[in-house]
Amino acid sequence: NAGVMQNPRHLVRRRGQEARLRCSPMKGHSHVYWYRQLPEEGLKFMVYLQKENIIDESGMPKERFSAEFPKEGPSILRIQQVVRGDSAAYFCASSRQGTPLHFGNGTRLTVT
Amino acid sequence: AQSVSQHNHHVILSEAASLELGCNYSYGGTVNLFWYVQYPGQHLQLLLKYFSGDPLVKGIKGFEAEFIKSKFSFNLRKPSVQWSDTAEYFCAVKGGLDYGGSQGNLIFGKGTKLSVKP
Repeated sequence: NAGVMQNPRHLVRRRGQEARLRCSPMKGHSHVYWYRQLPEEGLKFMVYLQKENIIDESGMPKERFSAEFPKEGPSILRIQQVVRGDSAAYFCASSRQGTPLHFGNGTRLTVT
Repeated sequence: AQSVSQHNHHVILSEAASLELGCNYSYGGTVNLFWYVQYPGQHLQLLLKYFSGDPLVKGIKGFEAEFIKSKFSFNLRKPSVQWSDTAEYFCAVKGGLDYGGSQGNLIFGKGTKLSVKP
């Protein structure tokens, strides 16, 4: 049973470009969460999605960030017009209803 | 607002030493508590969790944690560490459903790096 798959593992973008991070949840999991980890910080919740629905986006920055979890395909975290402060590790997690989260390996975004 | 505090940023131990990592949370309602471990270059893995019942929770790899409600604490322990326990450890809390937060909105501490000398 494959775990949570995230790609790419590393992503380098210049300021002003767009970053797309992908996450395929574990088989049978319909809940997807995105977290961000800044250097020397713990993980911060960003958004919680179920298929085709955003359930809680209270941790998402108001501008430039968006997330989706379509009926088919992986969940996508999209960052438009990236800035240096967006450099971080972005982790995806998935779960079934009421069960603990399973995390992916993360995508390390570097903005130059 | 909910928060999680981990007291130690970096702990260095020799093999066979005992380990205790502190974790305190601020939340007055029903809580679900977790410890996650992140080995170098790997994803976070669940070590153990507390939902209800026996406050002494046994996890994988010989780890255990004790929930002390009166102290708002959930400290992680291991009697004898090994070099392979070198990793970063994160404590996390999830509020109960009556809090109104999202179902997977975990609040993480900043993590404690554990280095075990062989």
